[in-house]
Amino acid sequence: KQEVTQIPAALSVPEGENLVLNCSFTDSAIYNLQWFRQDPGKGLTSLLLIQSSQREQTSGRLNASLDKSSGRSTLYIAASQPGDSATYLCAVGPDSNYQLIWGAGTKLIIKP
Amino acid sequence: GAVVSQHPSRVICKSGTSVKIECRSLDFQATTMFWYRQFPKKSLMLMATSNEGSKATYEQGVEKDKFLINHASLTLSTLTVTSAHPEDSSFYICSARSAGGRTDTQYFGPGTRLTVL
Repeated sequence: KQEVTQIPAALSVPEGENLVLNCSFTDSAIYNLQWFRQDPGKGLTSLLLIQSSQREQTSGRLNASLDKSSGRSTLYIAASQPGDSATYLCAVGPDSNYQLIWGAGTKLIIKP
Repeated sequence: GAVVSQHPSRVICKSGTSVKIECRSLDFQATTMFWYRQFPKKSLMLMATSNEGSKATYEQGVEKDKFLINHASLTLSTLTVTSAHPEDSSFYICSARSAGGRTDTQYFGPGTRLTVL
């Protein structure tokens, strides 16, 4: 059974720092992996989608990597800003269906 | 990009009442919609998958008679929490897959906060 873990559960860093959020999964047979952002009391915003054949995806200040063999993905945020404060969730797609298996998220606080 | 709306965004109800949550794809046709539930500081939990015109497929442990899902059209799915109780209080999120879009793209709604008193 696939399990997705995100560590740490919460992270607070000063503005301007580069940071890395971690996501690990137990079964390397995945179809894709996605990173999402959730603002308090709000829905989800898809940030990056990595297919199983890809190693990384980039969007602006965000870079997500995928290492299937080790069951890990990282989300790198460069030059963090207070507006980056949110909960970041990773989710694994085990097959071409859309049912995702979710991590519990990392709550990120960027201090001005 | 594709937009999914949910209504209402917040609802407070008394124990024993039923609450209906709507999920609409505003600018695309959604052949499949998903309903998730999120507990505080926990992962999102998939409740059910609904395909337009057919019965929803519920995940193990989700009571189909309590959480009624209707996907009546290609742009609308509804989740009805019947005889709600305080333990049903949660954040409910829907997502939709575009019929003609990328095969691996889900679009998420903004969520509905349900509080049962």
